[in-house]
Amino acid sequence: DQQVKQNSPSLSVQEGRISILNCDYTNSMFDYFLWYKKYPAEGPTFLISISSIKDKNEDGRFTVFLNKSAKHLSLHIVPSQPGDSAVYFCAASDSGGYQKVTFGTGTKLQVIP
Amino acid sequence: ETGVTQTPRHLVMGMTNKKSLKCEQHLGHNAMYWYKQSAKKPLELMFVYNFKEQTENNSVPSRFSPECPNSSHLFLHLHTLQPEDSALYLCASSQVWPSNGELFFGEGSRLTVL
Repeated sequence: DQQVKQNSPSLSVQEGRISILNCDYTNSMFDYFLWYKKYPAEGPTFLISISSIKDKNEDGRFTVFLNKSAKHLSLHIVPSQPGDSAVYFCAASDSGGYQKVTFGTGTKLQVIP
Repeated sequence: ETGVTQTPRHLVMGMTNKKSLKCEQHLGHNAMYWYKQSAKKPLELMFVYNFKEQTENNSVPSRFSPECPNSSHLFLHLHTLQPEDSALYLCASSQVWPSNGELFFGEGSRLTVL
């Protein structure tokens, strides 16, 4: 059973517009949510995170929103740039002493110049 | 060197071979991980080591054997693999505590089993 789900395998957005990537989760024990970005032939790199006690976290062009009642989070990228083209993984952790981070399947974002 | 480095980057092996993947982290972290990434699947956690002790084995077949001699090095020994084990194997490290789940990944070792 997949505990973290990214239902959109791909997304295309025009440069300068907003990109919205979505993620759903099922485990109510998750207390941190993260987004990772992955370029081809590279490992994933951490992008932004949010604690379960917050509903929004912003870092420059990237904002993550958390809706705990809906068990849903989203990543907004504004404005989108061609260099943002990558695979984005949603992840969640239950940090109870040691880490067990659960990942989604990823959404491939293409930003069209 | 900085970050998390993995060697080799690419590996082709037969089903009867024995090989090892190596991971080294230069971040002063105390937790290290092996993840497997197969096409169109989520990253699958395989093993977790905290302070050199294995704390998670996510039902991984015994043909995969991890080794963590110290907090900076992690190995994955491979023997009698199957073609379906072909995947990208990612090593990661992190702080144990305090923690928000942020992992630092290496670039991965692309394994092909013939």
